[in-house]
Amino acid sequence: LAKTTQPISMDSYEGQEVNITCSHNNIATNDYITWYQQFPSQGPRFIIQGYKTKVTNEVASLFIPADRKSSTLSLPRVSLSDTAVYYCLVAGGTSYGKLTFGQGTILTVHP
Amino acid sequence: DTEVTQTPKHLVMGMTNKKSLKCEQHMGHRAMYWYKQKAKKPPELMFVYSYEKLSINESVPSRFSPECPNSSLLNLHLHALQPEDSALYLCASSQQRTSGVETQYFGPGTRLLVL
Repeated sequence: LAKTTQPISMDSYEGQEVNITCSHNNIATNDYITWYQQFPSQGPRFIIQGYKTKVTNEVASLFIPADRKSSTLSLPRVSLSDTAVYYCLVAGGTSYGKLTFGQGTILTVHP
Repeated sequence: DTEVTQTPKHLVMGMTNKKSLKCEQHMGHRAMYWYKQKAKKPPELMFVYSYEKLSINESVPSRFSPECPNSSLLNLHLHALQPEDSALYLCASSQQRTSGVETQYFGPGTRLLVL
């Protein structure tokens, strides 16, 4: 399973766009990149998943360059309720559902 | 219904007690998971059940005993735990354990304290 590296923490202010970058240098051809969000004392929640280029849903965008060795989660116009830990995971067809969480990024949004 | 429920929310037990954690989902998922999460650490996979059969045991001590009575229920039986087993225990489910690209749906967890 590919190892991921993310910043330990980030700070932002309400209304700003936040970009969290994840490094995954040994990503395999059949691996996908997935991001989960976790609030204190809750289980992680799926945010977005992608394989290449750009993926967008109602809460976030995911940018993946052509070499796929990194990815960037973009949260538009964050609010206080976006304060959480964000995990980048890399897994694919041979992982049989086995998710390995990295250390995650603690995002703190200030008023 | 995209909810995974876990009971109890909190549990305090002594090292000689036997207790069980319960997890339930009604999404028709055929894969269910137990994770352990220590404070300020990421979740760590403990067990995976696929079609009600144990398919992955991440070298978890035998004092943790999982059980999958049917496709909607997952239990974790606890016996003779140690204080270092105190953690948030998370249950998750996914459609089937075919790949890591499946979305896993997590419950809120059971906060366990072992005295």
